[in-house]
Amino acid sequence: NAGVTQTPKFRVLKTGQSMTLLCAQDMNHEYMYWYRQDPGMGLRLIHYSVGEGTTAKGEVPDGYNVSRLKKQNFLLGLESAAPSQTSVYFCASRLRLAGVDTQYFGPGTRLTVL
Amino acid sequence: GEDVEQSLFLSVREGDSSVINCTYTDSSSTYLYWYKQEPGAGLQLLTYIFSNMDMKQDQRLTVLLNKKDKHLSLRIADTQTGDSAIYFCAEIGALSGGYNKLIFGAGTRLAVHP
Repeated sequence: NAGVTQTPKFRVLKTGQSMTLLCAQDMNHEYMYWYRQDPGMGLRLIHYSVGEGTTAKGEVPDGYNVSRLKKQNFLLGLESAAPSQTSVYFCASRLRLAGVDTQYFGPGTRLTVL
Repeated sequence: GEDVEQSLFLSVREGDSSVINCTYTDSSSTYLYWYKQEPGAGLQLLTYIFSNMDMKQDQRLTVLLNKKDKHLSLRIADTQTGDSAIYFCAEIGALSGGYNKLIFGAGTRLAVHP
């Protein structure tokens, strides 16, 4: 049981390049999330998905797109990277049990846009 | 609006108690959470408290909740160097469509020194 995995772990892009971050979970969770973490700002929700084939915008969706073609995978795309997208990106999946929400996080992807 | 606030840094001596404080805004949050992020890793659920409780103890951890003041605290007894991490307070917030999300504070970086 690997939990939540993310690839790649690190990436450096030039402004205008594109890339896709992959998140995979093997816990059969319905809900998945993409966050970005910036110093002093905590985690901000980019996009989320409540099930296979569904996605929705979070707090800071501009410049990102997502897809959830398979339940276990949640992809985050940057079509034209900008320096403001330099951040650490975390994926999470959610389990709700007896009313308690537990989010399980991946190890993160550190992205630098030059 | 939705907001969770925490102080950014705390430094303690090994063996002392650490107290990390948090204020939140949404009094309808059923549960409140503490997550821990170790260096280079994603967040992990540390503990949570039901909103009808005012205290929860779990080994070295004590969570105190003051609903009137919307204040949550995490006390770590006998703090060890392995407790050095960033601690995030989180409450439940609403998403469109009746779904919910976690709203995280900016995180408190705990440094434990000998």
